[in-house]
Amino acid sequence: AAGVIQSPRHLIKEKRETATLKCYPIPRHDTVYWYQQGPGQDPQFLISFYEKMQSDKGSIPDRFSAQQFSDYHSELNMSSLELGDSALYFCASSLGSRKSYEQYFGPGTRLTVT
Amino acid sequence: AQSVSQHNHHVILSEAASLELGCNYSYGGTVNLFWYVQYPGQHLQLLLKYFSGDPLVKGIKGFEAEFIKSKFSFNLRKPSVQWSDTAEYFCAVNSNTGFQKLVFGTGTRLLVSP
Repeated sequence: AAGVIQSPRHLIKEKRETATLKCYPIPRHDTVYWYQQGPGQDPQFLISFYEKMQSDKGSIPDRFSAQQFSDYHSELNMSSLELGDSALYFCASSLGSRKSYEQYFGPGTRLTVT
Repeated sequence: AQSVSQHNHHVILSEAASLELGCNYSYGGTVNLFWYVQYPGQHLQLLLKYFSGDPLVKGIKGFEAEFIKSKFSFNLRKPSVQWSDTAEYFCAVNSNTGFQKLVFGTGTRLLVSP
């Protein structure tokens, strides 16, 4: 079965650079969530989209922005990167239109800021 | 606001020992409950979930969990652990109103010695 795809899997950036993380949900899933997991930490919710509209917002810095496109894939744009942004970024998808509560996680993008 | 507490941060067991990981949540409404496992260097995988009905839920790999509403608990159990169960386990909760963010506990790191 198709799973959530994230690219790139690994990314190394320098401070003050920008990064773009991509997430391709499971086919027909219309809801995408982004989570950030710092070293030794639990995943923290950043932002979510349903049918291309932002549905919820968590602890996402103003330097970050995200959107969901017409094909339901989502991109997380991160600017003015800081050392503290180094983390594993997970994307999850679900079938929100059917009130599906289960989220399927992608493999994550490991971002290292040097 | 929702919150999840996992009491055991690190657990060390020998193979064939029984496992019980505690999880308590705080939320005023109806919730969905999940246990996720994260093997070293890998993404989150769903072990089991509770939405409604029988409070004793069975998941993959011989895991089960019991929802006790009066105690706001959702403890994870396995009668006999294997070395391959070495991983980090996260309890998570979201609101029972559709596509809602997951709130994770801080995780329990399980080490099973052969």
